[in-house]
Amino acid sequence: DAGVIQSPRHEVTEMGQEVTLRCKPISGHDYLFWYRQTMMRGLELLIYFNNNVPIDDSGMPEDRFSAKMPNASFSTLKIQPSEPRDSAVYFCASSRGGYYGYTFGSGTRLTVV
Amino acid sequence: KQEVTQIPAALSVPEGENLVLNCSFTDSAIYNLQWFRQDPGKGLTSLLLIQSSQREQTSGRLNASLDKSSGRSTLYIAASQPGDSATYLCAVGVTGANNLFFGTGTRLTVIP
Repeated sequence: DAGVIQSPRHEVTEMGQEVTLRCKPISGHDYLFWYRQTMMRGLELLIYFNNNVPIDDSGMPEDRFSAKMPNASFSTLKIQPSEPRDSAVYFCASSRGGYYGYTFGSGTRLTVV
Repeated sequence: KQEVTQIPAALSVPEGENLVLNCSFTDSAIYNLQWFRQDPGKGLTSLLLIQSSQREQTSGRLNASLDKSSGRSTLYIAASQPGDSATYLCAVGVTGANNLFFGTGTRLTVIP
């Protein structure tokens, strides 16, 4: 089991550019979560999916953020246009259900200059 | 809304010492609690998962306890080592929700 795989590991982009973060969950996990971590706010849930369907996107900061899960093995988080305040570490996690706990990816460190 | 607090925010101990990290939560309607470790610039590694029906879980030198009624969990680390230096995060799974609520973490430094 390769775990939750995120790409890229690091992303540096200029303000106004589109950024796409990618995640491959663990096979068989029905739930996929996107979190953002900053020094000021800690870990925040952005959105989560169950069986590829978005269930709760109340944590998505604004319309510049969008997430998709076209199939059980792939999800994207897109920011368009990006702003410096979006700089953070973005984590993807997957689970078979809350009872079984969560497995996190290594994260994508995003820097918007 | 569930609030999760971890005290202390930072802890520095000499190698070999036993230590306890604390986690408290405001809503006792949880289905489990998970302890994670995060090394600088890295992802979250799951250490222990305690279901709401359980009182404790052990893995090697780590022991986590859960007192749901009082809204508390502790992570006990025996015979600490410099390699234990990291940030430790607790997270609770709340009944009726499928996401985790995280504490702000305790940054542990074990001095050789």
